[in-house]
Amino acid sequence: DQQVKQNSPSLSVQEGRISILNCDYTNSMFDYFLWYKKYPAEGPTFLISISSIKDKNEDGRFTVFLNKSAKHLSLHIVPSQPGDSAVYFCAASDTGANNLFFGTGTRLTVIP
Amino acid sequence: ETGVTQSPTHLIKTRGQQVTLRCSSQSGHNTVSWYQQALGQGPQFIFQYYREEENGRGNFPPRFSGLQFPNYSSELNVNALELDDSALYLCASTDHIKSEEQFFGPGTRLTVL
Repeated sequence: DQQVKQNSPSLSVQEGRISILNCDYTNSMFDYFLWYKKYPAEGPTFLISISSIKDKNEDGRFTVFLNKSAKHLSLHIVPSQPGDSAVYFCAASDTGANNLFFGTGTRLTVIP
Repeated sequence: ETGVTQSPTHLIKTRGQQVTLRCSSQSGHNTVSWYQQALGQGPQFIFQYYREEENGRGNFPPRFSGLQFPNYSSELNVNALELDDSALYLCASTDHIKSEEQFFGPGTRLTVL
């Protein structure tokens, strides 16, 4: 049973525009959420995270929004750059556990 | 600061064989987790090691086993390989047992024929 879902396998965006990547989860025990970026032949790289006590966290061009009632989070990238082209994984954790649950990923392509 | 390294990069085995994958954690990190990423899927948690003891396990059979050494490096062993074991195996390290922000290595691509 997939507890973290990314329903869009791919997304294409023009350079300079906003990229919005979405993620849904089913387990109400999750209280920490992360986004990872993965380039080919490399491991996932931590990008940004958010605790369930917040609804927004911002780091430069990257902002993550959390809607706990809808069990939904999103990653906004503004402005998008060609170097942002990668696969983005949403992940979630229950503080009492010691593992991450990952979505299936969204491949973002930023078109110059 | 040295990041997480894994060896080998690629590996081809046949069904029924055994395989050992290796991981060196990022300097200063004492906790290592292993994940399996099948094609088109997200990483799935196999198990975690802390202070040389298994500390949590995902939904993987006992033929998946591991070790952690005093220098915090780790091995993943898989016995009686099956075709479905073909995947990218990722190692991740953290600096304390409950840290959610895990730092990943580049992975080992295992192909079982």
